[in-house]
Amino acid sequence: GAVVSQHPSWVICKSGTSVKIECRSLDFQATTMFWYRQFPKQSLMLMATSNEGSKATYEQGVEKDKFLINHASLTLSTLTVTSAHPEDSSFYICSASGGHYNEQFFGPGTRLTVL
Amino acid sequence: EDQVTQSPEALRLQEGESSSLNCSYTVSGLRGLFWYRQDPGKGPEFLFTLYSAGEEKEKERLKATLTKKESFLHITAPKPEDSATYLCAVKVGFGNEKLTFGTGTRLTIIP
Repeated sequence: GAVVSQHPSWVICKSGTSVKIECRSLDFQATTMFWYRQFPKQSLMLMATSNEGSKATYEQGVEKDKFLINHASLTLSTLTVTSAHPEDSSFYICSASGGHYNEQFFGPGTRLTVL
Repeated sequence: EDQVTQSPEALRLQEGESSSLNCSYTVSGLRGLFWYRQDPGKGPEFLFTLYSAGEEKEKERLKATLTKKESFLHITAPKPEDSATYLCAVKVGFGNEKLTFGTGTRLTIIP
């Protein structure tokens, strides 16, 4: 299967600061990338879908001004959590699909803790 | 509305005790059913894709099957390292790349 990386794997920040998470497809061109959020012992919640070079499509209830997504190339998408607050603390996971892959391949996730 | 339901929610098995996990779905225009494995604190790991009723895929101790209403993930003679949460997801309709996930089955294999 294809390989997707995320950086950082964990981050701790102060309330009010912004945090950027990177998602990279290492061995294929990802025309579509997805960002998920996962709470403990729950399934994945899709936040947004992004296509390379286009604006992201956000799911209902997800604040687009708070969770900024950029998909500037076929191998990189970024999620910026702006003015983070403790309730934004969560496990954020990206996935990618594209090329001859119908599947989504997931990154290892980023644990965000906002103090 | 598209729905994916997984059962049981949790399953504890003795090492070597075979069993099956269920994923039932109610969707219009299935374009693929996917199985993933997720370990605590990690992203899901892709296992299988199934497209049509009657299709089967195998990998080591795992075998996935698909009917028009449900999919099964059969685990034969499991080992402790098979302990994980197993997620089922479906892709529906054309022009839509999103996955709809079930809530998962948390599998524990006891040595």
